[in-house]
Amino acid sequence: GAVVSQHPSRVICKSGTSVKIECRSLDFQATTMFWYRQFPKKSLMLMATSNEGSKATYEQGVEKDKFLINHASLTLSTLTVTSAHPEDSSFYICSASGVLETQYFGPGTRLLVL
Amino acid sequence: AQSVTQLGSHVSVSEGALVLLRCNYSSSVPPYLFWYVQYPNQGLQLLLKYTSAATLVKGINGFEAEFKKSETSFHLTKPSAHMSDAAEYFCAVSDLDAGGTSYGKLTFGQGTILTVHP
Repeated sequence: GAVVSQHPSRVICKSGTSVKIECRSLDFQATTMFWYRQFPKKSLMLMATSNEGSKATYEQGVEKDKFLINHASLTLSTLTVTSAHPEDSSFYICSASGVLETQYFGPGTRLLVL
Repeated sequence: AQSVTQLGSHVSVSEGALVLLRCNYSSSVPPYLFWYVQYPNQGLQLLLKYTSAATLVKGINGFEAEFKKSETSFHLTKPSAHMSDAAEYFCAVSDLDAGGTSYGKLTFGQGTILTVHP
């Protein structure tokens, strides 16, 4: 149980385009989903927290207009990187937690912006 | 704000040897504590968690960790390392309010890369 999927696993896009990443909890209802960014050889940096049906709460320094988060249902959250630039290239990981509060992580999405 | 410190960014052991990965936290209220493992180009997998029940927590793949409040530590151990244990390990803390409710957000340590030699 407690499986979280992400799609796509890898995406390459041109600078200036937008990219949408999906995060799904496959076998439980996720009241809260989290989005992290991981730089090479670094730890995870929390970008934002989203609760189903509510606006996401962004961490300090994260541009909410650039990283749009939608949590439309208890099993799906999306992260859209708008007008992507090479510095947005990173490994993006989502996690989901239900009533027991443990976070279960997706496999991650590798974004490369050319 | 809480913080998590993992001593040693790299740990190297021989196959069959004891694995000890250190984690210390700072928090005004004993938090929930987690260990996650990350294999290359993959997400994080939960190894074990401490949520204020037994202080010795057993996880998957033979790992266990002991919560020591007096030392603010939550070190991860495995009696005998296997080649498949080679990965990066993250300690994380979820802070609690005075009433014992989790805020939900995780703060991660810097990670420790475990190498296992034949």
